[in-house]
Amino acid sequence: DSGVTQTPKHLITATGQRVTLRCSPRSGDLSVYWYQQSLDQGLQFLIQYYNGEERAKGNILERFSAQQFPDLHSELNLSSLELGDSALYFCASSVLGDLSYNEQFFGPGTRLTVL
Amino acid sequence: QKEVEQDPGPLSVPEGAIVSLNCTYSNSAFQYFMWYRQYSRKGPELLMYTYSSGNKEDGRFTAQVDKSSKYISLFIRDSQPSDSATYLCAMNTNAGKSTFGDGTTLTVKP
Repeated sequence: DSGVTQTPKHLITATGQRVTLRCSPRSGDLSVYWYQQSLDQGLQFLIQYYNGEERAKGNILERFSAQQFPDLHSELNLSSLELGDSALYFCASSVLGDLSYNEQFFGPGTRLTVL
Repeated sequence: QKEVEQDPGPLSVPEGAIVSLNCTYSNSAFQYFMWYRQYSRKGPELLMYTYSSGNKEDGRFTAQVDKSSKYISLFIRDSQPSDSATYLCAMNTNAGKSTFGDGTTLTVKP
């Protein structure tokens, strides 16, 4: 158990809908990362927050947004969902927001299915 | 072309074999190199992390980085059935963004 929690574990929804995925980092970790893992795209970095501020941005669609709250939990909002958004969404956390390297601890993921 | 290319696999070996997992990359700005292990339906977990060219050993695992060839490898000695998983290479620039390979699925048969 990495200490990172994600809810819900599974989510099934329809095209055009909006969903919110939630992540609680390990105790003491200030940085949160979101990743998307689909069968044909591998693990794709979406966005990083450090202590409430956006720190780095990857291949995140405009339909997706995220935020990190004062208690350091984070939410990833996915809107106008398309079939291709079906994937595993992972949250990871780390102690620092160091723009070089620090070990990331991954949560168990949320499996999103868009029908 | 992807910045990070990983040997796709899948790989199936008998217990006790030496396993070699490989990635190549094109971005010379990558400075930090990681290997993650991902069991089915679980989140990735960090196995090894290296910064410079050369070898780094941790038990049965050796990570090798050759920056001049833009090539990294993970060797697993005396492989065990519990090593069966998907292995992901990952790389960071100084800007902190991680780029992952697509993963190689390894099965170690008893």
